[in-house]
Amino acid sequence: KNEVEQSPQNLTAQEGEFITINCSYSVGISALHWLQQHPGGGIVSLFMLSSGKKKHGRLIATINIQEKHSSLHITASHPRDSAVYICAVLSRMDSNYQLIWGAGTKLIIKP
Amino acid sequence: TAGITQAPTSQILAAGRSMTLRCTQDMRHNAMYWYRQDLGLGLRLIHYSNTAGTTGKGEVPDGYSVSRANTDDFPLTLASAVPSQTSVYFCASSPTPVGIQYFGAGTRLSVL
Repeated sequence: KNEVEQSPQNLTAQEGEFITINCSYSVGISALHWLQQHPGGGIVSLFMLSSGKKKHGRLIATINIQEKHSSLHITASHPRDSAVYICAVLSRMDSNYQLIWGAGTKLIIKP
Repeated sequence: TAGITQAPTSQILAAGRSMTLRCTQDMRHNAMYWYRQDLGLGLRLIHYSNTAGTTGKGEVPDGYSVSRANTDDFPLTLASAVPSQTSVYFCASSPTPVGIQYFGAGTRLSVL
């Protein structure tokens, strides 16, 4: 079993729909990252959070440390939100911190 | 501001040849990373450097080497390329080993 699991793997929705992408992890973490990878390949960090909730524009990220679960929500989705969304957790291994990556969720928003 | 720059953007390489993927950042970040991304898999860490002069092995270091002679540059070398090293390679940097990472645009490498 992977240490970071994302669901769904693929998601297609209509423009305007509320989108939820989930991330579950099985290791102790210091923080959790959500990133976006555009169809052209570029990777951009969206959020880094260790508790509660963060909001940026139409994007909301939440984390429940006790349940080892995070969600990324997109309100009023738009075709330009089509991308792969990646969850990664920062975990301490030996004397170093390393990111453990999920496989990503491919989101397609249809007009 | 350039941010983080990778070169080349793509390359076709014959098996057995050596190659260095270049990565330069102008943000004075302490930590730098090399990842490979393969279809259906998440990003996998190859090597990292928490600060200039130090490097460490990631999840998939075999067949790759790195150096960190200064803050800005973190080249990745394939000494003798094999087809399984066909992948997209991303370089990233962060202010600290626990900070948000900033990614380069990637290098698409095909080893034939």
